[in-house]
Amino acid sequence: ILNVEQSPQSLHVQEGDSTNFTCSFPSSNFYALHWYRWETAKSPEALFVMTLNGDEKKKGRISATLNTKEGYSYLYIKGSQPEDSATYLCASYNAGNMLTFGGGTRLMVKP
Amino acid sequence: EPEVTQTPSHQVTQMGQEVILRCVPISNHLYFYWYRQILGQKVEFLVSFYNNEISEKSEIFDDQFSVERPDGSNFTLKIRSTKLEDSAMYFCASSDPGEGKQETQYFGPGTRLLVL
Repeated sequence: ILNVEQSPQSLHVQEGDSTNFTCSFPSSNFYALHWYRWETAKSPEALFVMTLNGDEKKKGRISATLNTKEGYSYLYIKGSQPEDSATYLCASYNAGNMLTFGGGTRLMVKP
Repeated sequence: EPEVTQTPSHQVTQMGQEVILRCVPISNHLYFYWYRQILGQKVEFLVSFYNNEISEKSEIFDDQFSVERPDGSNFTLKIRSTKLEDSAMYFCASSDPGEGKQETQYFGPGTRLLVL
């Protein structure tokens, strides 16, 4: 059974603060790492799919890095806004045709 | 922008009853998935479906579960005889076949199932 872990579980920041959180995943038989942003009562929204060691991806104020050798990915949000409040999920594709999800980081941005 | 839709948004059922959860994937996608999230736990993979057959399933997906693509647009998950522990949010997702595991999976908003 694969174990994907995210930390912290929850995070409260002030508007304008930059923040980051971590996803750790098994490095063996690794294929891809997916990040999603999930607001309550909405569909999880795909942010990034990352495959190569050293990958960096950016979407607006959100960026992510990938280290496949040590099995971790960081998600960064620059200048957090209240609309960034959501749960951020990572999911790893290792051997087997299935995504294994972490428990998510719940971000709350106070105005 | 195309999106995955799911119906119903909420369903309450009695233990032992059959339920069918419905999904309309994005129209040109060929891979379809079901996931669930029990309250307070991680999102868990149930099953993937391609070319009218199951391509992968997890240990959770036992004989009580089945999936079907009854027509060109719908993708359904049937739970034959619901148990209390089937109470969860069920998500459908779909993806383009282009790059396999690197392809983004697009999720629907989920169906909240409550078994009493």
